[in-house]
Amino acid sequence: QLQLQESGPGLVKASETLPLTCTVSGDSISSRRHYWAWIRQPPGKGLEWIGTIYYSGSTYYMPSLKSRVTMSVDTSKNHFSLKLSSVTAADTAVYFCARQRQGANDGFDIWGQGTMVTVSS
Amino acid sequence: DIQMTQSPSSVSASLGDSVTITCRASQDIDIWLAWYQQKPGKAPKLLIYAASSLQSGVPSRFSGSGSGTDFTLTISSLQPEDFATYYCQQANSFPYTFGQGTKLETK
Repeated sequence: QLQLQESGPGLVKASETLPLTCTVSGDSISSRRHYWAWIRQPPGKGLEWIGTIYYSGSTYYMPSLKSRVTMSVDTSKNHFSLKLSSVTAADTAVYFCARQRQGANDGFDIWGQGTMVTVSS
Repeated sequence: DIQMTQSPSSVSASLGDSVTITCRASQDIDIWLAWYQQKPGKAPKLLIYAASSLQSGVPSRFSGSGSGTDFTLTISSLQPEDFATYYCQQANSFPYTFGQGTKLETK
């Protein structure tokens, strides 16, 4: 059964870098059909797309976060990662990784359970 | 960026009712719209993709329609498990954007 699992620190200090990893099981991250994404949700608020990566390493980022975001993929470990630098309290959120169903125009059909990240001052 | 505007922000309904949620895009997104259901403390669940295609395993009381800039999600014959928050999302072009959400509450 396909599953995505986020991992990373639950607490990060302001101005530091947040590293998160999404491990994919039950599917190959090298599948040419799928794109992989990070999406976040601040407490009590809506969903915000952070960025998308393809197995080839091509990346697409939210413009407002682009200067602070780096996404990468490790096909040997079947996981993809997010690094968000210079974090502030505004980056406190639940971070989800997700798979796009088939292609870049499709919906996100598989989601991780989400990991809560708190930025402390 | 393409702005997605959902209405209403919240709606109250009773079991067995039919509810329609609308989503408007600030520019033409063809059919590249998805709908999600989210319950508290859970990840969103894909309901509809490509505006009107029902995701596998989703009950047929959920339906989507629209193209271009105007889209709707209809839930017919509301069941207890349908009370949740619903989001639309455009996948026509990067950056992907979500609507602000519609909370469906029991009357």
